[in-house]
Amino acid sequence: NAGVTQTPKFQVLKTGQSMTLQCAQDMNHEYMSWYRQDPGMGLRLIHYSVGAGITDQGEVPNGYNVSRSTTEDFPLRLLSAAPSQTSVYFCASSSGLAGVIVGNEQFFGPGTRLTVL
Amino acid sequence: AQSVSQHNHHVILSEAASLELGCNYSYGGTVNLFWYVQYPGQHLQLLLKYFSGDPLVKGIKGFEAEFIKSKFSFNLRKPSVQWSDTAEYFCAVSPYGGATNKLIFGTGTLLAVQP
Repeated sequence: NAGVTQTPKFQVLKTGQSMTLQCAQDMNHEYMSWYRQDPGMGLRLIHYSVGAGITDQGEVPNGYNVSRSTTEDFPLRLLSAAPSQTSVYFCASSSGLAGVIVGNEQFFGPGTRLTVL
Repeated sequence: AQSVSQHNHHVILSEAASLELGCNYSYGGTVNLFWYVQYPGQHLQLLLKYFSGDPLVKGIKGFEAEFIKSKFSFNLRKPSVQWSDTAEYFCAVSPYGGATNKLIFGTGTLLAVQP
């Protein structure tokens, strides 16, 4: 298994540009999420999904959109990039069924380092 | 609001010194607790986790953590650190009571081990 994969690894954008960060997992995990990591702030949850077709907002959702059309993929879209979105983005997944208390380990991807000029 | 506090932002130790990193959380209900580690240039990896049972949890690479419910704490310990333990350590909490595995992270502790 490849686990959780993310592309690209690095990206530089200009203010106002749009782009999609890709995330895929091959572990058949129901739960997927996106975090951003900023110095001194730890990881903050942007959006998450408990299964295909179901997404919800996390702690810092503004400026980001997500969709979950398949179990494997969970792309994160920046519609109009801003310098405040300069960060390292991590995708994570875990097994678990919606409505069931599981608290399972989340597996993280290698991250995408995004710079917005 | 639920939160996780890691009181040590930067820790510098010499090899063979003992390590204890503090983690406190604010949530009144049942929680799952995790410690993740991020080595330089790498992604987060799970060190250990607590779901239930024995509050003293042993993880990989000689790390352990103790859950003290009355203190809302989950401190990470290692009796003797190595240079290879240089990394950033994150405590995380996943509250029960929802249909998700949402993780709330602390701000991290940067550990530097000097040879």
